Amino acid sequence: GAVVSQHPSRVICKSGTSVKIECRSLDFQATTMFWYRQFPKQSLMLMATSNEGSKATYEQGVEKDKFLINHASLTLSTLTVTSAHPEDSSFYICSAWRGGNEKLFFGSGTQLSVL
Amino acid sequence: QKEVEQDPGPLSVPEGAIVSLNCTYSNSAFQYFMWYRQYSRKGPELLMYTYSSGNKEDGRFTAQVDKSSKYISLFIRDSQPSDSATYLCAMKNAGNMLTFGGGTRLMVKP
Repeated sequence: GAVVSQHPSRVICKSGTSVKIECRSLDFQATTMFWYRQFPKQSLMLMATSNEGSKATYEQGVEKDKFLINHASLTLSTLTVTSAHPEDSSFYICSAWRGGNEKLFFGSGTQLSVL
Repeated sequence: QKEVEQDPGPLSVPEGAIVSLNCTYSNSAFQYFMWYRQYSRKGPELLMYTYSSGNKEDGRFTAQVDKSSKYISLFIRDSQPSDSATYLCAMKNAGNMLTFGGGTRLMVKP
């Protein structure tokens, strides 16, 4: 079964609104989680590394004020897309290491559509 | 040059064929190697994980690593239409950052 749970799987929102995506590790603690963005027929693009109890580390070109990441507990990281615009429409996926950085497991992804 | 190179495909094979998917890499520090399968609009699913040169088998899947050539492969025997997906290779050193290939799209036709 799934070891990383991601919700919602799909969200449609109006331009200017904010959307929160949750990523939970099931049955294990994840001090580090990752957030990716994926466009159709393209590979995963790492957006940021989420660290429990500290600030996230963002990849170059990713706006930290637009993509707010909170990793408040060892099993939950959230990504909030603030003031979403149509160009933010994409597939967002989270992941977490299980078992001492040996195996990386992914959530099921969230398809965000901004109208 | 990318650290990890993977042919994007698409690779189209008839049902029952043996599929060979490959990645090459340039960073000799990579120690751990993984293969993921991703269906459309879903998160990647871990298929195989290995950290040594040689072969590792799991059902119809065999992962092969050749560290001397910096080359990894995933073989799928008796391919099924349900194997149609994008396959991503991934690898890392001792740290926690995974480097992905671009993915190969596989289509298995009935």
